[in-house]
Amino acid sequence: DADVTQTPRNRITKTGKRIMLECSQTKGHDRMYWYRQDPGLGLRLIYYSFDVKDINKGEISDGYSVSRQAQAKFSLSLESAIPNQTALYFCATSDPRGQETQYFGPGTRLLVL
Amino acid sequence: AQKITQTQPGMFVQEKEAVTLDCTYDTSDPSYGLFWYKQPSSGEMIFLIYQGSYDQQNATEGRYSLNFQKARKSANLVISASQLGDSAMYFCAMREGIGGYQKVTFGIGTKLQVIP
Repeated sequence: DADVTQTPRNRITKTGKRIMLECSQTKGHDRMYWYRQDPGLGLRLIYYSFDVKDINKGEISDGYSVSRQAQAKFSLSLESAIPNQTALYFCATSDPRGQETQYFGPGTRLLVL
Repeated sequence: AQKITQTQPGMFVQEKEAVTLDCTYDTSDPSYGLFWYKQPSSGEMIFLIYQGSYDQQNATEGRYSLNFQKARKSANLVISASQLGDSAMYFCAMREGIGGYQKVTFGIGTKLQVIP
């Protein structure tokens, strides 16, 4: 089984709808991240969390919110989806006790119409 | 200045040949880490290799090696004996900062196509 899972894998929604993307991990890592990927822009950080009580904004947090329900779960919400939020979204985890390599989930392809 | 620069938007390599994907970085932190990830057409991001700024030896993982030239601030990925399954996007990334949150910056990627 995958160490980092994301649901749904694909989602089509309409402008103005609220949607939630979920991430679960079995790696036992405290740190979790949400990124979005757009063609030609690489990955950009939306939010990160060092533990259940620690949530921090990344470079592009406007229009997004997150919830860290448990060490293993980190969800991303789009409060009112807009077309320019169409992207590939990744959840990642890392362990600060080593190289702090980020391990990614399989991604969620989101299309906002 | 760009933190991570990947100047090759696309590369072709013949199957079984070696290929080098370029990456230069910019940081003033003495402690940092460099990563390479592979993204096949299916979309997932796969960690390949890591190099720490204090590591004396170049990192190697199977057919992957990282040519780390600290003075030139370059961290090129070398793939030996290319296989068709190596066709993918490749991203260079850098972790910098000391303590607390260590920012990770990704390059825009290089698309590698392996030709039979």
